[in-house]
Amino acid sequence: EAQVTQNPRYLITVTGKKLTVTCSQNMNHEYMSWYRQDPGLGLRQIYYSMNVEVTDKGDVPEGYKVSRKEKRNFPLILESPSPNQTSLYFCASSTRTGGEGDTQYFGPGTRLTVL
Amino acid sequence: AQSVTQLDSQVPVFEEAPVELRCNYSSSVSVYLFWYVQYPNQGLQLLLKYLSGSTLVKGINGFEAEFNKSQTSFHLRKPSVHISDTAEYFCAVSDLNDYKLSFGAGTTVTVRA
Repeated sequence: EAQVTQNPRYLITVTGKKLTVTCSQNMNHEYMSWYRQDPGLGLRQIYYSMNVEVTDKGDVPEGYKVSRKEKRNFPLILESPSPNQTSLYFCASSTRTGGEGDTQYFGPGTRLTVL
Repeated sequence: AQSVTQLDSQVPVFEEAPVELRCNYSSSVSVYLFWYVQYPNQGLQLLLKYLSGSTLVKGINGFEAEFNKSQTSFHLRKPSVHISDTAEYFCAVSDLNDYKLSFGAGTTVTVRA
């Protein structure tokens, strides 16, 4: 089954304790992205990756890091989480076919609470 | 850069009644347009998308949307809703050479019996 998986689904942590949220897709997609969803703001892009070892900032990258060492995986790293990073996080992936409006496939989300 | 405005944050509707969710966008270039649905405690799922061609786009679960270039709108409609359509709906836009999606703030649809 084609899917994007995220782990963990729920996480409660404390300020300053480094954490990683994993994302994996089994569709051989080149493009992967991380979003955060906050009430009244919709989804905002944090980072994206066009392919292995190619990453770039989205709209709200401060406080986050990513890496893309393998095509299928795109972990999101919070080196020193703060309460304002409490949010619902989504990973997404899509193919790259020359700007054909490819559908982005979303993971189930990770609800993060930073105390 | 694009921006998306969803004009209604909450839409209550009775079962079997029609619903319309409004979406306007701004962009200096041609765009692709999407509607995604998020059911409670789930990720986002594509409902439909407009790439080119016919301005009336049909999607899953009986939804359709109409692209209006002059009004820069992409409103979503369903003629008769079900309880199971209770969800949050997001309009999104990307330009023709970019894979970044810009999302609206979302519209919560609550269907009541």
